Formats: sequence, C-alpha cells, structure tokens
Amino acid sequence: DAKTTQPNSMESNEEEPVHLPCNHSTISGTDYIHWYRQLPSQGPEYVIHGLTSNVNNRMASLAIAEDRKSSTLILHRATLRDAAVYYCILRDSGGSNYKLTFGKGTLLTVNP
Amino acid sequence: EPEVTQTPSHQVTQMGQEVILRCVPISNHLYFYWYRQILGQKVEFLVSFYNNEISEKSEIFDDQFSVERPDGSNFTLKIRSTKLEDSAMYFCASCGGEYHSPLHFGNGTRLTVT
Repeated sequence: DAKTTQPNSMESNEEEPVHLPCNHSTISGTDYIHWYRQLPSQGPEYVIHGLTSNVNNRMASLAIAEDRKSSTLILHRATLRDAAVYYCILRDSGGSNYKLTFGKGTLLTVNP
Repeated sequence: EPEVTQTPSHQVTQMGQEVILRCVPISNHLYFYWYRQILGQKVEFLVSFYNNEISEKSEIFDDQFSVERPDGSNFTLKIRSTKLEDSAMYFCASCGGEYHSPLHFGNGTRLTVT
C-alpha cells in the first residue's frame, strides 16, 4: 500500500469543525482513500472512503484534492465521542485481498 | 447493523500454552482478516483468508500461528506455544469483497501471556 503522511496529533473544541489532513503524494490511479478511526479500547472503525470526488456520509466528509495527492477528513461538529486515532489509508482497488495497512494516524483530542 | 464479534474479550494464558481466539464475521462477507496491536503500537496485519485458504500473511504470521474457518461462520486464530511477546490486542475483521468495500472490525481480544 502507498504511504500516507498525517500529523501525529491535533486538538479541537467540542462542537467546532475539525479538518484532519493527509498527504499521499505517491498515490496511484487505482488507490482508494480510506479513513478509519480507533476509539480508546476498541477496534478500528470505518469512517469514509473516496476515489476522486468529495464524499459525504453521516459521520464525516472527505475532501480530495484535484491532483489526489492530499485529502482532508472533515468532522463538521466534533463531539467528545470523536476523540480517537484517525487513520488515512490508501487501498489498491486492484489488490487481491483488500487488506489495509495502518500507519500511526492522527490522535484527535476534543476539549469540552 | 451487523457486526463482527470476538470472544473472549480477555484471555490470560501461560507462556508455552496454546490459545484459540474466536471471531464471528458478518454473515455474507467473503474476506477475513486477523490484525494485532501491541500496547502503544500500530495495528499490524497478520493474515487474510479467502475461499477457505490464506490469501496473504505477514512476516509476523509464522509457524506458531494458524487460522481456520471450521463451520462457515466462525473464524479462528490459533497460537501454539505462546510467548510473552504475543501479548497484544487481536482484532478480527471481515469484508464484503467488492473492491472498495470497507473492513469491519471486532472489538478485539486482549491476550495476556504470563
């Protein structure tokens, strides 16, 4: 899987928007951009994914740069429950087993 | 919403003993995975399983590890002769199999080897 770069940590205040950046300058044309998060003492949880266009779901929005070399996960109103490690992962759609390779992610702290 | 379930939530074993970690993936999923996370470290891929055989395994997945899907619903990870360094959270995951479908993870089994 191609490499991504994320800040080690970010801080936000409750009920404010959060923009979590991810750089993936070596992304290939068949790589999907996936975001997962891991709440304390839980398994990773799928958040959102996209290929080229921006995506929205009930949890978050994903903004993908036009050249696809970076993306931003947007939490529109952070809650205390959103405190977690957020992972940006490139996943090759041509891969044979669809596994994910996790990096260190961004530790998001949400202040009340 | 269907979910991946893992049992037990916590397993304590003595060094050298065998352990079996159990997982029930989402019923219509086709791909199955085990990952582990040593305390304070990254989530690491161990093995993927498809069509009743291992499709990929990492360097961590050596001869002491084995996986099985014995009855079409359970997916197990066996660790023979456990070592202290096997202490970790072990996560099972499953995936529907479409090329962009997400992985669904269980909440893990915490294995403590004493």
